[in-house]
Amino acid sequence: DTGVSQDPRHKITKRGQNVTFRCDPISEHNRLYWYRQTLGQGPEFLTYFQNEAQLEKSRLLSDRFSAERPKGSFSTLEIQRTEQGDSAMYLCASSFSNEAYGYTFGSGTRLTVV
Amino acid sequence: SQKIEQNSEALNIQEGKTATLTCNYTNYSPAYLQWYRQDPGRGPVFLLLIRENEKEKRKERLKVTFDTTLKQSLFHITASQPADSATYLCALDMSGYSTLTFGKGTMLLVSP
Repeated sequence: DTGVSQDPRHKITKRGQNVTFRCDPISEHNRLYWYRQTLGQGPEFLTYFQNEAQLEKSRLLSDRFSAERPKGSFSTLEIQRTEQGDSAMYLCASSFSNEAYGYTFGSGTRLTVV
Repeated sequence: SQKIEQNSEALNIQEGKTATLTCNYTNYSPAYLQWYRQDPGRGPVFLLLIRENEKEKRKERLKVTFDTTLKQSLFHITASQPADSATYLCALDMSGYSTLTFGKGTMLLVSP
């Protein structure tokens, strides 16, 4: 297992377009998280899955955002009708249920909305 | 409201010295606190977890303390090296759902 993989690494899109990001977690982990990070800020929580169930969503996650984790494996995060304010690094992380092991993050997808 | 505060100014130290970073939090009593390292353009990397009933935790050159009365954690790197230069983030479960809230991080710069 090579860790948490995110695809693409970079995405440039025009305002109003839809984008979809993919995350492949560590296979033994049952939890998967999406965070967003802007320059000079820490990661901000968006949503999390335990297996295939989406258990928590942040108020940051407007109705333009949707996340799925079919079959409890990989996850996708879709942003519809992108806005310039959506430009950020989107980070995926996975973990065991036991917090002692921390989160394993991917390298992120850098989104630029022009 | 609940907040996590880390020193927003970069910490510049000389190689070989001990770096000390601070994480303060308000209006919450977390069961544990975690520290992460983040390099530019990369995701954070988990370093250490300390629980509310632990005063101190060590891992190689790293030491973390946790004072639940002061609502503060200190993160120390002894014998610092230029390779330790990075942003260090503290994180707490403030949701009660085992999802982490991160501070803004403190940038550490270790000069040779």
